Amino acid sequence: DAGVTQSPTHLIKTRGQQVTLRCSPKSGHDTVSWYQQALGQGPQFIFQYYEEEERQRGNFPDRFSGHQFPNYSSELNVNALLLGDSALYLCASSLGLITGELFFGEGSRLTVL
Amino acid sequence: GQQVMQIPQYQHVQEGEDFTTYCNSSTTLSNIQWYKQRPGGHPVFLIQLVKSGEVKKQKRLTFQFGEAKKNSSLHITATQTTDVGTYFCAGCASNYQLIWGAGTKLIIKP
Repeated sequence: DAGVTQSPTHLIKTRGQQVTLRCSPKSGHDTVSWYQQALGQGPQFIFQYYEEEERQRGNFPDRFSGHQFPNYSSELNVNALLLGDSALYLCASSLGLITGELFFGEGSRLTVL
Repeated sequence: GQQVMQIPQYQHVQEGEDFTTYCNSSTTLSNIQWYKQRPGGHPVFLIQLVKSGEVKKQKRLTFQFGEAKKNSSLHITATQTTDVGTYFCAGCASNYQLIWGAGTKLIIKP
């Protein structure tokens, strides 16, 4: 049973560039949430996708956007990268919209230079 | 906005000593979850508490949810090196959004 998989694991970008991160949820899960975790901090909720729609959004600017595909996989896009976007981006999958146990992937470590 | 405060930020203990982390929410929560993140790893779900005053145990770990459903604690008895990591609480708000605490890092003194 595959867990949550994320790609890429590490990437380096420069300011102003755009990045796309990908996530495949745990088998049987239909909900994907994205989190940003800066070094030494707790995860900050970006948004949640269910049935291919953004259902919840945290306090992140419009530069952060996402998508969910019919197979429940998801992408996180960040435009016009800033130095402060450097962080670990975590994808978490769950079943349904009612908040239950989250299963996290290993994360994508983004460094913006 | 809704906040979950978690203290302490760090706790240094000798192996065998106890460890406790506390979370307090500015609003009533529908439930609270606890996660552990090992150094260099990702958060791993430990438990979810739903009922007012609920107490749950997992071996040496004891989790409590306050009567008012605004606070929670995690207590580890007789810490071991395998307990090292950062422990996060995440409170579920009325809109089903999880609000995360900043975490408590458990450090075992050599």
